[in-house]
Amino acid sequence: GAGVSQSPSNKVTEKGKDVELRCDPISGHTALYWYRQRLGQGLEFLIYFQGNSAPDKSGLPSDRFSAERTGESVSTLTIQRTQQEDSAVYLCASSLASLYNSPLHFGNGTRLTVT
Amino acid sequence: DQQVKQNSPSLSVQEGRISILNCDYTNSMFDYFLWYKKYPAEGPTFLISISSIKDKNEDGRFTVFLNKSAKHLSLHIVPSQPGDSAVYFCASTNAGKSTFGDGTTLTVKP
Repeated sequence: GAGVSQSPSNKVTEKGKDVELRCDPISGHTALYWYRQRLGQGLEFLIYFQGNSAPDKSGLPSDRFSAERTGESVSTLTIQRTQQEDSAVYLCASSLASLYNSPLHFGNGTRLTVT
Repeated sequence: DQQVKQNSPSLSVQEGRISILNCDYTNSMFDYFLWYKKYPAEGPTFLISISSIKDKNEDGRFTVFLNKSAKHLSLHIVPSQPGDSAVYFCASTNAGKSTFGDGTTLTVKP
């Protein structure tokens, strides 16, 4: 079965441009998470979805960041007016249910470089 | 305020010996703890977990110990193999939301 798929795998963009990152979770996984990993650091929580709703957006760093999920499937993370500090690997994960401590299944991430 | 801390950025052990990776947490609301393993250019993969009602969980060469009073957990790998070389993240969860440590890079030397 297919795992979590993220695209693009790499993205280089100029400061000030908008970027959109895509995540296809494992089919049937109701919970979907976005994390960010800056160089040499741990995983920083951004947002999670239960179905198409986002009960916890507390990790989004600023109003330049937004995310949506449709059809309890694909999710997109959008960063507007990118800044150099946005450079990181953005990881998406899905799990069977957010309330029952199911392990997260991660994609391979999108490496974003803002020049 | 970092709620999950892995104080050792790196650890090097000889093949066949035991690897012990440590993790400390501050939030007493965490009810489930997991370890993930990460190879370069890949996402983390789940390794082993433990509920807060237990103090030990074993799966083959991997054992996780939880000391709730000390808010400390550890991962033991024995015997260590070169293929275990990776970054290991501990994660603590509450109501499904996982908080990760910064990771420990384990190198197992042949």
